[in-house]
Amino acid sequence: DAKTTQPTSMDCAEGRAANLPCNHSTISGNEYVYWYRQIHSQGPQYIIHGLKNNETNEMASLIITEDRKSSTLILPHATLRDTAVYYCIVRVAHNAGNMLTFGGGTRLMVKP
Amino acid sequence: GAVVSQHPSWVICKSGTSVKIECRSLDFQATTMFWYRQFPKKSLMLMATSNEGSKATYEQGVEKDKFLINHASLTLSTLTVTSAHPEDSSFYICSARAGLANTGELFFGEGSRLTVL
Repeated sequence: DAKTTQPTSMDCAEGRAANLPCNHSTISGNEYVYWYRQIHSQGPQYIIHGLKNNETNEMASLIITEDRKSSTLILPHATLRDTAVYYCIVRVAHNAGNMLTFGGGTRLMVKP
Repeated sequence: GAVVSQHPSWVICKSGTSVKIECRSLDFQATTMFWYRQFPKKSLMLMATSNEGSKATYEQGVEKDKFLINHASLTLSTLTVTSAHPEDSSFYICSARAGLANTGELFFGEGSRLTVL
């Protein structure tokens, strides 16, 4: 799986949009971009994934650049409960193991 | 979404004892489950891949005799930390893939925090 680079930490004001960047300049054509988050002392939670088109669900939006070398996860209206570590992972969706390799992630702190 | 449950959520044990952690897929069958461990303020590290009905595949550096994994059914995998020592204290997390076909989505348990005294 390709390596990703994320800022170590970010702050966001409650109610504002949180934009979390991720660089994946070595991504291959068949690799997807996945986002998970981990709230303190809990297991990771799936957020969203995409290949090349922008994606949106009830939790977040995923914006992938045209060259696919970077992406941004957007939480449109951050709440205090969105404070967590956010992991950006690129992986081949149909690999045999389907295990995830976690990097350092971004520690998002939502402040009142 | 699919639910993966771990038990116990936390356990404290004496050094030298063995501890078993269960990982259950509650509403789906999981042919493959993964076990991770996580130290404080660190990322998750994959320990092993658990396949139903066969031996687990361990990552490099993970002692298979220390961390016994059993995946006897499509809904249950267990991790046993044998002769636990304080350095085994960690947050252990399992994940499972729903169904045989790849959905692109893995579900994680709530984690089990092990403290060895």
